[in-house]
Amino acid sequence: EDQVTQSPEALRLQEGESSSLNCSYTVSGLRGLFWYRQDPGKGPEFLFTLYSAGEEKEKERLKATLTKKESFLHITAPKPEDSATYLCAVPLRYSSASKIIFGSGTRLSIRP
Amino acid sequence: EPEVTQTPSHQVTQMGQEVILRCVPISNHLYFYWYRQILGQKVEFLVSFYNNEISEKSEIFDDQFSVERPDGSNFTLKIRSTKLEDSAMYFCASTGTGGSYEQYFGPGTRLTVT
Repeated sequence: EDQVTQSPEALRLQEGESSSLNCSYTVSGLRGLFWYRQDPGKGPEFLFTLYSAGEEKEKERLKATLTKKESFLHITAPKPEDSATYLCAVPLRYSSASKIIFGSGTRLSIRP
Repeated sequence: EPEVTQTPSHQVTQMGQEVILRCVPISNHLYFYWYRQILGQKVEFLVSFYNNEISEKSEIFDDQFSVERPDGSNFTLKIRSTKLEDSAMYFCASTGTGGSYEQYFGPGTRLTVT
């Protein structure tokens, strides 16, 4: 069964304390992996797409990496404004019309 | 920066009533989607739409649901007879062309069925 699993469910860090979020997936043939940020009561905000193992993308304090079975979202020296839920998602078909399935997310909280 | 917009931001309705949720996708995008998120749960796919027809739909998207692109800019989700369990955040998303699969989401409509 196609599945996306994220860990940990919640993570509390001190401002400046770096860490990583994990996304593991079991899909028959990876067609890309997305990372989104979601603030409470808002829609998912697109961050990155990764298409192949070994690929890395960076944006400000965030860096996403991809292996054959999982992806990591590394956050370096986070600030309180990085507090949000981070969602991982994968498309199920090689098509722009494909559904994407989401993980449950990691709730990240950064204390000043 | 172009963005997906949705109206209303919050809709309260009584069980059995019809609701229409509205979305304006990013202007040059051709693929459109609806997702929902029940409080505390995952974002889940409802339907995708391309070239004026449904491309794919989930088991949730039964005969009570329909989608329409009534003009060149709007994309709507209609629920014919709402149930208590339809209470959720509903998100519209859109994707461009050129082989990109990234879906850009709107801010959502919170639907409360009483």
